[in-house]
Amino acid sequence: QKEVEQNSGPLSVPEGAIASLNCTYSDRVSQSFFWYRQYSGKSPELIMSIYSNGDKEDGRFTAQLNKASQYVSLLIRDSQPSDSATYLCAVNSGGGGADGLTFGKGTHLIIQP
Amino acid sequence: EAQVTQNPRYLITVTGKKLTVTCSQNMNHEYMSWYRQDPGLGLRQIYYSMNVEVTDKGDVPEGYKVSRKEKRNFPLILESPSPNQTSLYFCASSPPVYPSGYNEQFFGPGTRLTVL
Repeated sequence: QKEVEQNSGPLSVPEGAIASLNCTYSDRVSQSFFWYRQYSGKSPELIMSIYSNGDKEDGRFTAQLNKASQYVSLLIRDSQPSDSATYLCAVNSGGGGADGLTFGKGTHLIIQP
Repeated sequence: EAQVTQNPRYLITVTGKKLTVTCSQNMNHEYMSWYRQDPGLGLRQIYYSMNVEVTDKGDVPEGYKVSRKEKRNFPLILESPSPNQTSLYFCASSPPVYPSGYNEQFFGPGTRLTVL
């Protein structure tokens, strides 16, 4: 059984600070890693994808991957109140894996004005 | 506009009354999937389809059926809904990326189902 673990939160961060979200996964052969943002009652929206060890930056967002530690993180710089949402970590085992993504339960992030 | 659409967006029904939730994508994606989302349980996959006429069970398939007769459509069928199927349902699609496997999934807006 593939598992993706996230701290459910809530994680409270002051506006303008860096929010750090973490995720661990159990399937060592996982190859694709994604961060989705979900506002309450809305659908998940893809914000970052990462496939190789290291950092990937996109605007205020940085995804970090460490396959040896089976660890993925998302950093949000200069946090804004609009960043308040639930962040879902998702993992795909790859290799033509037909069973899609395994999602964590999400971390609820609150940005305090 | 590239998108995944679902209908209806909201549905209240009664136990045992068959219903279908439609899902359509206009991105020519081969892979489609259905999820349900419940508080404290996260997103759980119900069924997925790798291509036309190819479907398979996800983690929570009991009580659901699907079909994939056309590439763009992937309806979810509840033959005899029960209250424990009250949930928020999402359809998603994804283009394949070889050889690493399936890539990002794009989600529809969701269908909130209440079974009384």
